[in-house]
Parts: sequence; structure tokens; C-alpha cells
Amino acid sequence: DVKVTQSSRYLVKRTGEKVFLECVQDMDHENMFWYRQDPGLGLRLIYFSYDVKMKEKGDIPEGYSVSREKKERFSLILESASTNQTSMYLCASSTLRTDFPTNEKLFFGSGTQLSVL
Amino acid sequence: GEDVEQSLFLSVREGDSSVINCTYTDSSSTYLYWYKQEPGAGLQLLTYIFSNMDMKQDQRLTVLLNKKDKHLSLRIADTQTGDSAIYFCAESFINNAGNMLTFGGGTRLMVKP
Repeated sequence: DVKVTQSSRYLVKRTGEKVFLECVQDMDHENMFWYRQDPGLGLRLIYFSYDVKMKEKGDIPEGYSVSREKKERFSLILESASTNQTSMYLCASSTLRTDFPTNEKLFFGSGTQLSVL
Repeated sequence: GEDVEQSLFLSVREGDSSVINCTYTDSSSTYLYWYKQEPGAGLQLLTYIFSNMDMKQDQRLTVLLNKKDKHLSLRIADTQTGDSAIYFCAESFINNAGNMLTFGGGTRLMVKP
């Protein structure tokens, strides 16, 4: 089975801190995504990457950056954390090489609940 | 832009049927999806339907698609307490980077014993 691992389940940070959220997938997937999940708003795409060193902005990239130096690892960076970035962060991956009808089948990690105080 | 809407909450008794509804806006979506998120876990793909189908059945799950009204529903027969979760519908769309998904806000299903 595909495994998407997020390094922390819970994080508590202070306003202004630099925060790194790490995600690793073990299935050689080309695409990786970072979403944030807020009650009633569903999942909103922050950034995604379709190849090493490639990144694209999603719907809400402000206040975030990403890094994809290796295919299996996709990092989300909060340069200066703010209280409105308190949220559940979900990483996902997908591949073009699949027997699924499309390449849109996403595999999700368990999420990182980030609290910014 | 793309928009997917769902009701926030549904409560049913164990053994009853659950119906979770979703509306979407992108008529060019190729596939529509239902994802399930159990407490403390990420999302898992539950089922999907190709846009030229009206219905898809998979054991206790029935997906109905009304393409004219852009309405998607998920019916769970004989709902069990283990079905308690948040259910997200999603539609696919294409942008410059390829195929992407837009998720609804999620419907929290609570199954009472």
C-alpha cells in the first residue's frame, strides 16, 4: 500500500516562528500536494508539485512556501507563523502511472494539527 | 471558478440508510469522487463515478449522478457505527498543470447506536 507519512501529528508554535511541515511518500509518485482543512471550508489547496524542484501555487498560497528537493519529500514552510494559520494540514500524493481511470486518485497522510499561539 | 457544496452534518440511526448530497459547478468534470475521513486519519478514496454514468453501486454504497442538475449523492445502506466519519465529494478539473480536484466542505455523518 502507498504510504504518505507526515512527520508530526500535533505541533504548537508561537507567532512569528518559522515552521516546517514534512511529508514523505514511498511510492515514487510524481505529484505531491499540501492542503489545509478548516471546519466548514473543506480542503483548500496551498501548493502542489508535479516534479522535483517544481512547484505551483494552489488556491491559498499566501504565507506559505514549499520545497521539493527529492521526489519522495515535499515540505511546507511557514516563514513567519500567524494565528490564522492554525489548522489541520494534509499532505497527499498521486501518480500518472496508475491503473486507476485517471491520475486524480490522491493518497493522503494522517494530517498535522498545527496550533499557532 | 469551481465550487463544490455539501451540507455540514447528517445524523442517522444504525441500520438506517444515509444519503449525503453534493452539488458542483464544473460541467466538464470527467470524474466525481467520494472520500471518507475517519477520526484522526487522512482522506481515503471511497468510490468514484464517471461523468457519463447515472448510477454506480458498490456493496452498501450507491452513487447517483444527475448531470443536468450537477447533483451527486452517496447512499449508504444499513449504516453502521463504523461509517461515522466526514465524507467529502470532489470534482476534477483541468488546469495548466493537469488534472486537479476541488473538494466540498465535507459532511460529518454521525451514526447513533
